[in-house]
Amino acid sequence: KAGVTQTPRYLIKTRGQQVTLSCSPISGHRSVSWYQQTPGQGLQFLFEYFSETQRNKGNFPGRFSGRQFSNSRSEMNVSTLELGDSALYLCASSGGTGATEAFFGQGTRLTVV
Amino acid sequence: QKEVEQNSGPLSVPEGAIASLNCTYSDRVSQSFFWYRQYSGKSPELIMSIYSNGDKEDGRFTAQLNKASQYVSLLIRDSQPSDSATYLCAVIYETGGGNKLTFGTGTQLKVEL
Repeated sequence: KAGVTQTPRYLIKTRGQQVTLSCSPISGHRSVSWYQQTPGQGLQFLFEYFSETQRNKGNFPGRFSGRQFSNSRSEMNVSTLELGDSALYLCASSGGTGATEAFFGQGTRLTVV
Repeated sequence: QKEVEQNSGPLSVPEGAIASLNCTYSDRVSQSFFWYRQYSGKSPELIMSIYSNGDKEDGRFTAQLNKASQYVSLLIRDSQPSDSATYLCAVIYETGGGNKLTFGTGTQLKVEL
């Protein structure tokens, strides 16, 4: 059974640009959550999608957005990149309602220069 | 703000000893608790889940849950150098829109030869 797949693995962007990250969950999983991980802040929750609907949102500015498609694949977008957006972005999938174990992808390392 | 608290460490133990990692959480109604292991530069890996009071054993790992004290712990028996990693405690908090998996900042474990 394939795990969670995130693409790309590494990205270098310039301040002011935008970026789109992709996450394909484990087959059959309907919930996808996104996290930002930095050395100083740990794992910070961005948002969660379930059946194409955003169910939860963390305390991030509106520059961070996401969506989920009918096949449960999810994308997150960051517009007007800032240096502080440099981080490891992780996506986790779970079965959703009643199935709470979450499994992470390998992450996308974003560097903003 | 619903929180998960962990001692950041580092916790150093000699090879073969028992490592004890602790976590407290703020929401008394939480029902699902997890331990993740994260090696440097890698994504978190789920190693234990626990839902009921008491102990749950899996190989060298034992998770302990005390809901009355809002306390979760992870014991690693016969610690090996390969256990050196950051251990993240995670708790599911129920929100109006669904479940939100919230992480502590992690405890760094170092197993010394």
